Amino acid sequence: AQSVSQHNHHVILSEAASLELGCNYSYGGTVNLFWYVQYPGQHLQLLLKYFSGDPLVKGIKGFEAEFIKSKFSFNLRKPSVQWSDTAEYFCAVNGKGSNYKLTFGKGTLLTVNP
Amino acid sequence: EPEVTQTPSHQVTQMGQEVILRCVPISNHLYFYWYRQILGQKVEFLVSFYNNEISEKSEIFDDQFSVERPDGSNFTLKIRSTKLEDSAMYFCASRVVGGADTQYFGPGTRLTVL
Repeated sequence: AQSVSQHNHHVILSEAASLELGCNYSYGGTVNLFWYVQYPGQHLQLLLKYFSGDPLVKGIKGFEAEFIKSKFSFNLRKPSVQWSDTAEYFCAVNGKGSNYKLTFGKGTLLTVNP
Repeated sequence: EPEVTQTPSHQVTQMGQEVILRCVPISNHLYFYWYRQILGQKVEFLVSFYNNEISEKSEIFDDQFSVERPDGSNFTLKIRSTKLEDSAMYFCASRVVGGADTQYFGPGTRLTVL
């Protein structure tokens, strides 16, 4: 069965600090990986995704993530966070064998203090 | 930019009552999903729907749940007899048929069962 673990429940940073959110997954097959963000009061939005090719993917708003197959990881990074990055971040996986349904991690709440 | 829409944004109902949650997927999308998120827990897959039939459902999606695409635009989730534990945020998502495509999420319906 597929599963996703996000290591941090709540991360608090000051503006301009660097961010790394951990995500590990378990999936028996070719995997697609996603990071979604949910800003307060808004719906889930795609930040970035990995399907194949370059394991370092860049998304919107300066976010990037690196797929490390040997570690089953897909960590999200941003070199300098802003107050507007305050949101909940969800890592998710899917694949052909799962009918492409998404399996989500529990989410990480990021609070950025001005 | 096209969006997935959901109505209502908030539904309050009494235990045992039937509720219908409505979604309008993006117009050229053909694969539809329902997910739910109980407060404080992860987003969970409920059901996927393609070509006018359920393609996969989770253990959560028991006989009390049903989905329908009554016309060319709406996609509904019905809960026949609501229970307290059905209280959650319900998200609709859609994607183009291609397996690696992104799922786009609606803003969600918050269901409160009293």
